[in-house]
Amino acid sequence: DTEVTQTPKHLVMGMTNKKSLKCEQHMGHRAMYWYKQKAKKPPELMFVYSYEKLSINESVPSRFSPECPNSSLLNLHLHALQPEDSALYLCASSQGQFNSPLHFGNGTRLTVT
Amino acid sequence: AQKITQTQPGMFVQEKEAVTLDCTYDTSDPSYGLFWYKQPSSGEMIFLIYQGSYDQQNATEGRYSLNFQKARKSANLVISASQLGDSAMYFCAMRENTGTASKLTFGTGTRLQVTL
Repeated sequence: DTEVTQTPKHLVMGMTNKKSLKCEQHMGHRAMYWYKQKAKKPPELMFVYSYEKLSINESVPSRFSPECPNSSLLNLHLHALQPEDSALYLCASSQGQFNSPLHFGNGTRLTVT
Repeated sequence: AQKITQTQPGMFVQEKEAVTLDCTYDTSDPSYGLFWYKQPSSGEMIFLIYQGSYDQQNATEGRYSLNFQKARKSANLVISASQLGDSAMYFCAMRENTGTASKLTFGTGTRLQVTL
């Protein structure tokens, strides 16, 4: 069983909808991540939170808005998405140091219609 | 510049045989970590094995071992006694020592198919 929980597992939304992806971890990790993965491609980093503060934003369009309400939770708010935003969205957490692995959730498969 | 290179888009191996998945990397940072992940078709990313830049010995985890050649900047994954359940996408990844939340950068992956 994964120690990083993502909800929902699947999401279909229209281009005018507003939705949120949720991620939760209880491993005491202080770094949390959002990755986007298109089919047959590697995951691409979107955002990194360290100690509940946004530390890395990989030039992600503003229609994606991350939020870290506390050390265990990470949200990704979605608004006015495009069909090309359809992908697997992966959340991960880690101790933060370079020698620690990232622990991933099972992902949310997002389809934008 | 590509930091992680996986030159094998796909590999086939027979059940019970060993297979090596190649990975080369590029960094000027003396402190870094190398990771391998497995991604089955269901989508979850499963951490397999870690090798630190200062580690003197090659990492091993059960049937997984890492052939780390620092001078060549390569970190190949060896899977021994392949099983049908090993069929998946395998990603090599690297974290550099850039602070408290360094990012994990992935290679393009190798799709492994285990056959009977």
